[in-house]
Amino acid sequence: KAGVTQTPRYLIKTRGQQVTLSCSPISGHRSVSWYQQTPGQGLQFLFEYFSETQRNKGNFPGRFSGRQFSNSRSEMNVSTLELGDSALYLCASNRDRDAEAFFGQGTRLTVV
Amino acid sequence: SQKIEQNSEALNIQEGKTATLTCNYTNYSPAYLQWYRQDPGRGPVFLLLIRENEKEKRKERLKVTFDTTLKQSLFHITASQPADSATYLCALDNSNGGATNKLIFGTGTLLAVQP
Repeated sequence: KAGVTQTPRYLIKTRGQQVTLSCSPISGHRSVSWYQQTPGQGLQFLFEYFSETQRNKGNFPGRFSGRQFSNSRSEMNVSTLELGDSALYLCASNRDRDAEAFFGQGTRLTVV
Repeated sequence: SQKIEQNSEALNIQEGKTATLTCNYTNYSPAYLQWYRQDPGRGPVFLLLIRENEKEKRKERLKVTFDTTLKQSLFHITASQPADSATYLCALDNSNGGATNKLIFGTGTLLAVQP
């Protein structure tokens, strides 16, 4: 069965722009979580969506937002990009609570 | 504040030896703990999950222990191979019993197995 697919793999944006990243979870998984990974802060939880509803949110500014569609695909958006938003953005899907997370390959965002 | 520490940034061992990685946490009461492997430029890959009422879990050459009194998990790779070289991350459930899959990750330990 297909794994978690994230698009695009690489992205270069300019400060002040906005960006939308996409994630297609494993078929049948309704929970999708987003994480930001940087060398300094490691992997940090952004938010989780389940059945089109945001179920939990990390400590990130309101510039970071997301949504989930009826087919469980999810998008995250970052507005007014800052240099510090440069990171690997990872999406993970879960079958159930208390189960392992399946991660995508990530989207490498570079803000210049 | 909540904190997760992994024993060191890098661990170098000889092929065939047992690698032991440590994950210590404070101010958490996780229902479960997970270990992941991450290779450069790729997403983490799940290895093992251990619940708060389990002391030990094994899978092939991997073994994980979970001591909720010490607030520590140990991750062992026996008969290590150069192909085991990667960054290993521990992750704790941070749902506080709620219906969510929020994980808090440690900073990771880079394991290098020398042939």
